[in-house]
Amino acid sequence: QVQLVQSGPELKKPGASVRVSCKASGYTFSTYGLSWVRRAPGQGLEWLGWISGDNANRQVSLKFQDRVTMTADTSTATAFLQLGSLRDDDTAMYFCARSLFTSSFDYWGQGTLLTVSS
Amino acid sequence: SYDLTQPRSVSVALGQTARITCGGSNIGSKNVHWYQQRPGQAPVLIIFRDKNRPSGVPERFSGSNSGNTATLTITRAQAADEADYYCQIWDSGINWVFGGGTALTVL
Repeated sequence: QVQLVQSGPELKKPGASVRVSCKASGYTFSTYGLSWVRRAPGQGLEWLGWISGDNANRQVSLKFQDRVTMTADTSTATAFLQLGSLRDDDTAMYFCARSLFTSSFDYWGQGTLLTVSS
Repeated sequence: SYDLTQPRSVSVALGQTARITCGGSNIGSKNVHWYQQRPGQAPVLIIFRDKNRPSGVPERFSGSNSGNTATLTITRAQAADEADYYCQIWDSGINWVFGGGTALTVL
């Protein structure tokens, strides 16, 4: 069965960077992309970006274009999200989710809690 | 940009029908997906491409989309349906966008 397993919680200071991983199993990693979505406290879901499973294509929300880096390692079936210049309002649960380009998100990781605090 | 407008909250009596709307300009021309997120859990896809249910999603959940409004309908509402619900579309230029979310309360 399809599974997306994310890395553990992170505590970072403002201005730092964070790297979150999402390890996929149960399907051919290169044939699906992965999106990154977050939910801040009291807020709704927010899409950050999408990377193809072959690491060849990326789409990033305009809001995060200068702070988000995404990579996909086909050898380990793992995707990574790096978010830089962290601010207090980046505190949120971050999810990876599987999708084909333009399509719905059919499987989700369990979430990674990022807390940004001085 | 493209905005998707959802009511912040909807209440429904146990066993009755709940309808959650998602408004957007000419949304009927786009594919709308719906997600359910229970507290402390990851979102779950419950409707894709307007009206299709993934395997395992009860028939009580249905979707429609026309004009400027997409609608998620939940019949015979149960306590387990209490959750936040999000609509989503993909559009060229903005990629994916979510509605603001609707908190469903089952009374």
